[in-house]
Amino acid sequence: GAVVSQHPSWVICKSGTSVKIECRSLDFQATTMFWYRQFPKQSLMLMATSNEGSKATYEQGVEKDKFLINHASLTLSTLTVTSAHPEDSSFYICSARGNEQFFGPGTRLTVL
Amino acid sequence: AQTVTQSQPEMSVQEAETVTLSCTYDTSESDYYLFWYKQPPSRQMILVIRQEAYKQQNATENRFSVNFQKAAKSFSLKISDSQLGDAAMYFCAYRSYVNRDDKIIFGKGTRLHILP
Repeated sequence: GAVVSQHPSWVICKSGTSVKIECRSLDFQATTMFWYRQFPKQSLMLMATSNEGSKATYEQGVEKDKFLINHASLTLSTLTVTSAHPEDSSFYICSARGNEQFFGPGTRLTVL
Repeated sequence: AQTVTQSQPEMSVQEAETVTLSCTYDTSESDYYLFWYKQPPSRQMILVIRQEAYKQQNATENRFSVNFQKAAKSFSLKISDSQLGDAAMYFCAYRSYVNRDDKIIFGKGTRLHILP
């Protein structure tokens, strides 16, 4: 099946700093990628839909200025958590839309 | 708006036995996809099975099968001959058929324990 990678797999940062997470489709082109957030023992919550070459569409309640999404190519979307705070600590998962939706392995973010 | 409901937060089954996970959904659309995803402790989302709503035949994948009742908006997953590796969080999910780029809507999940 198609492969989606995420980098880094885990990151620890200080409060107030920014963190960038990359999502890559390794063997297919994805015009659409999705970013999810998952709290412990909870379901995946869609944060935004990322479309190549255009602005991302954010779900209600997600701060677009805090969670910056860039989809500059057909194989790469990035999520930047700006001015991170401890409450942003979570597991972030991306997925890429090929002939089906394929999920990355996730990134665990811990903000101290 | 579409919703997906999983009413069983946790379930347990003896190894080699059969277990059924329940899922109901709500939609006004006539064409859509339904999925069951597995999330093991590694947290990698794995597609277990997919059902197209226009197909009357229930999807099967080896030990995994679904009971799709379109009129009742029910989509249960049956796991036969349960194995220790089946222990995971299982999410029922919905996606629109018309809008190919539409988002996947997940249920809250059912944690499945396999008892040796």
